[in-house]
Amino acid sequence: AQSVAQPEDQVKVAEGNPLTVKCTYSVSGNPYLFWYVQYPNRGLQFLLKYITGDNLVKGSYGFEAEFNKSQTSFHLKKPSALVSDSALYFCAVRDGTNDYKLSFGAGTTVTVRA
Amino acid sequence: IAGITQAPTSQILAAGRRMTLRCTQDMRHNAMYWYRQDLGLGLRLIHYSNTAGTTGKGEVPDGYSVSRANTDDFPLTLASAVPSQTSVYFCASSDSQADTQYFGPGTRLTVL
Repeated sequence: AQSVAQPEDQVKVAEGNPLTVKCTYSVSGNPYLFWYVQYPNRGLQFLLKYITGDNLVKGSYGFEAEFNKSQTSFHLKKPSALVSDSALYFCAVRDGTNDYKLSFGAGTTVTVRA
Repeated sequence: IAGITQAPTSQILAAGRRMTLRCTQDMRHNAMYWYRQDLGLGLRLIHYSNTAGTTGKGEVPDGYSVSRANTDDFPLTLASAVPSQTSVYFCASSDSQADTQYFGPGTRLTVL
């Protein structure tokens, strides 16, 4: 079985401050990890993924995430948040040894205030 | 390139009625998926298809059926809708090699 936990329902930061959205996962095999963002009344947009290689992954819109195997975490980060980053963020995982099914976290709402 | 299209955008449906949500992709992806999104629960997989001609059950398949007659289309059918199926439904697809799933714009379904 595979699962994802996003421990924070909401994250609020001031514009220009660092942004972190937390994610921990559980899989039986090697994890494939993803971050998606959803703007109001829109579908999910892919931000970045970790499959293998460098633990620090860089993605779209200045976001990055760090894979930590010992802590089974994949936290999303942005050094300087923008008001336009306000959205719903989802972490997802799949077991690299099975088919393509993803398991999603419940989501974290990010609010960046001006 | 349109990516993934879904129809209708939204629908209000009486309980007991049959409804088919349409999904079409033009990326020639092998795999396709249907999810429902409910507040506080994230996205839950309903059904999936690894390739044309094959389908599989996800986390919450009861009350739903799918077919995959060709690569591009993956319709989701509610045979007899119930109010608990009120949700936002997303279709997605992925290329088996790239692993990233790409999502459609969603269908907002209300069952009364």
